[in-house]
Amino acid sequence: DAGITQSPRHKVTETGTPVTLRCHQTENHRYMYWYRQDPGHGLRLIHYSYGVKDTDKGEVSDGYSVSRSKTEDFLLTLESATSSQTSVYFCAISEYGAGMNTEAFFGQGTRLTVV
Amino acid sequence: SQKIEQNSEALNIQEGKTATLTCNYTNYSPAYLQWYRQDPGRGPVFLLLIRENEKEKRKERLKVTFDTTLKQSLFHITASQPADSATYLCALTRNRDDKIIFGKGTRLHILP
Repeated sequence: DAGITQSPRHKVTETGTPVTLRCHQTENHRYMYWYRQDPGHGLRLIHYSYGVKDTDKGEVSDGYSVSRSKTEDFLLTLESATSSQTSVYFCAISEYGAGMNTEAFFGQGTRLTVV
Repeated sequence: SQKIEQNSEALNIQEGKTATLTCNYTNYSPAYLQWYRQDPGRGPVFLLLIRENEKEKRKERLKVTFDTTLKQSLFHITASQPADSATYLCALTRNRDDKIIFGKGTRLHILP
């Protein structure tokens, strides 16, 4: 398995509280992605990073922010969690950008419940 | 708007037969198309990638085709086995940005 660790693996939080999910990789891959997966919607891209301090929005970025201060870490923050952000969150990494011959490696996922 | 559609939410196939899954896309000019497998409670795992200028790719019992005129990819599993039961996701990437966009997936059940 690619060296990707997501933490925490499970979290229950209250509406209105800030939450940060962490993705840590040991592969030194340039690209990192955050997805959420919900029944009926599949995997949807939230934000992605193409280098340290370089990030861009995905399909469903409202209510989320990201930061990447080191190659190995990509943080996803919910500034004020809402029940609609209850989901399973996956981090993925890839060595090259999507415009090249690349595959993505996924973490184990974080199950977040907002009550 | 851009759309990626996988034709079935679920598909039941008898063991030993060929399973064929479909991925259609609209308003998209992909550079690459990828297929992933996802088991319950796990992250997706990469299976195969095909470029826009390739028609077909094979890996063991897996075959992917890519028709940019029809805007469609077909994913075949030959001699299917119960262990092939999983959700299969197609994903598109394009040259102009680094996004990897996924379809909703097809749950495949191989019946013994």
